[in-house]
Amino acid sequence: SAVISQKPSRDICQRGTSLTIQCQVDSQVTMMFWYRQQPGQSLTLIATANQGSEATYESGFVIDKFPISRPNLTFSTLTVSNMSPEDSSIYLCSARQGTNQPQHFGDGTRLSIL
Amino acid sequence: EDKVVQSPLSLVVHEGDTVTLNCSYEVTNFRSLLWYKQEKKAPTFLFMLTSSGIEKKSGRLSSILDKKELFSILNITATQTGDSAIYLCAVDGSGGGADGLTFGKGTHLIIQP
Repeated sequence: SAVISQKPSRDICQRGTSLTIQCQVDSQVTMMFWYRQQPGQSLTLIATANQGSEATYESGFVIDKFPISRPNLTFSTLTVSNMSPEDSSIYLCSARQGTNQPQHFGDGTRLSIL
Repeated sequence: EDKVVQSPLSLVVHEGDTVTLNCSYEVTNFRSLLWYKQEKKAPTFLFMLTSSGIEKKSGRLSSILDKKELFSILNITATQTGDSAIYLCAVDGSGGGADGLTFGKGTHLIIQP
């Protein structure tokens, strides 16, 4: 299965600032996704990162708040914009190599906003 | 909207016991059901199930899917302390985004020595 690396692994940020999280896969994958895991909760899909076009966002998530890029088949970024304490979560990148393949996850980025 | 319900939410057993974790779901255009193990970091993939009645097995872990009754179980036999983790069930269906997963809340499993 693909190896997925995320950075940073953790960060503490000030309210009102923005942070970009990077996700690198060691092989080309068809699909990449971004999830959020709030404290004590399960994973919630933020968006599907589409290569060469705009991401597809889930209900409750908007591009202005969570802009996503995917310039090629191995790399994606998620930006958390104008952060507030409610954005304190673990953000996880996942990837899938084919339609009938499972999603695999990176180690996540633990984000705390003061 | 796709929905996944796991039970129990938490479970404490002794080493050597056998445990059964449950997952029921409602999904639009079911494609697959997946089980993950989450310790401190990212969820680790365990099983992907697409067909009813076919057991998938990996060591002491096994899982089966019932598409008629819309549920799956994950069995762990001869449990060890290293099995302590949160076990997540997820479904892949069109109600969860183009290809994204809808997760249950997880079962927090604690194995006592």
